[in-house]
Amino acid sequence: EVQLVESGGGLVQPGGSLRLSCAASGFTFSTSAMTWVRLAPGKGLEWVSAISDSGGSTYYADSVKGRFTISRDNSKNTLYLQMNSLRAEDTAVYYCAKRNPNYPFDPWGQGTLVTVSS
Amino acid sequence: DIQMTQSPSTLSASVGDRVTITCRASQSISRWLAWYQQKPGKAPKLLIDKASSLESGVPSRFSGGGSGTEFTLTISSLQPDDFATYYCQQYDSYPLTFGGGTKVEI
Repeated sequence: EVQLVESGGGLVQPGGSLRLSCAASGFTFSTSAMTWVRLAPGKGLEWVSAISDSGGSTYYADSVKGRFTISRDNSKNTLYLQMNSLRAEDTAVYYCAKRNPNYPFDPWGQGTLVTVSS
Repeated sequence: DIQMTQSPSTLSASVGDRVTITCRASQSISRWLAWYQQKPGKAPKLLIDKASSLESGVPSRFSGGGSGTEFTLTISSLQPDDFATYYCQQYDSYPLTFGGGTKVEI
């Protein structure tokens, strides 16, 4: 069974940092592109970042470019999102998802909540 | 960047109703369009990919159509389990973008 489990969310002050993890199982992680998507309170889904299977290509939404870094460790079957200079508007549930070539996001993890507040 | 515009943002309907949600892309995305369903506190669930291809296990009352810049998601006979928020998403090019969502409520 394909499974994605996010962790690392929590409460952080504005300007702070947090690293999210997404542990993958049930599929060949090293041949799968991966992505992060967030859902802020009262808002819609927002794509955040994506990474190729090898990690050689990364993509970011303008809203997080220069502050967030996506990476992966294929030996640990784990995806990461390093979030720096956090703002109140980054408060959201963050989901990781698998992306096959020319295919949308499926499946998704259960999400981890990040709250940026003083 | 490709902008995705969904309408309506909220849809009030009853069990048994036929409902249609529209999604417009700011430029042609061929058929690289997905539809997701999300319920409160749950992860989004992929319903349709390539504009009209129903995912395994998704009820046949769901259908998708369109190409280029105009797309639709239709639920032929709304069931109690279908009350949720629906999102379209283009996966033609980065940055990948979602529509604003359509909340289907009673």
